[in-house]
Amino acid sequence: GQQVMQIPQYQHVQEGEDFTTYCNSSTTLSNIQWYKQRPGGHPVFLIQLVKSGEVKKQKRLTFQFGEAKKNSSLHITATQTTDVGTYFCADPSGGSNYKLTFGKGTLLTVNP
Amino acid sequence: NAGVTQTPKFQVLKTGQSMTLQCAQDMNHEYMSWYRQDPGMGLRLIHYSVGAGITDQGEVPNGYNVSRSTTEDFPLRLLSAAPSQTSVYFCASRWGQGLYGYTFGSGTRLTVV
Repeated sequence: GQQVMQIPQYQHVQEGEDFTTYCNSSTTLSNIQWYKQRPGGHPVFLIQLVKSGEVKKQKRLTFQFGEAKKNSSLHITATQTTDVGTYFCADPSGGSNYKLTFGKGTLLTVNP
Repeated sequence: NAGVTQTPKFQVLKTGQSMTLQCAQDMNHEYMSWYRQDPGMGLRLIHYSVGAGITDQGEVPNGYNVSRSTTEDFPLRLLSAAPSQTSVYFCASRWGQGLYGYTFGSGTRLTVV
């Protein structure tokens, strides 16, 4: 089935450093979503990207959707301890527009 | 709105027992789904429903059963629990149309011994 590959699997940073996670698909995506899951918590919707080349910002978070709509990235500027968690990209199309297929996520830990 | 409510939060079962994980949403969302989350495997879709009376299988449906008699409720049944079903289970419902996203419940941590 359709898969989205996410790298890196883990990332440990010092507080204040930047962080980026990447999501890649072998097929063109209709759109892509990003979720954050705090340790012991549940996934929380962050954003949906729809347009080719789209860039959206939420405070220190910058989300990009590739020109070919096959890749996406999430960049966090000047990480804080509150950024700790696993960041997932998800393909909402999954062949039927109702199957949300998740990447395996990037676990971010931040050293204060 | 309470959002998506899952019960119980924790459960321990013996191999072979059956149980139902409850999921309810009060947002009038048509689409609901169940995921399981295992270390290193991410979230995998078990079953989903696009509306009352309509369900379909996801990526890992074996050993699970669902029904959708109302818009609000989408229970997940484990027919005969196995240790391989030890996992964290999340229920989610979809909001929006053109721009949309998913709201997740807080999860059920299930251990099968």
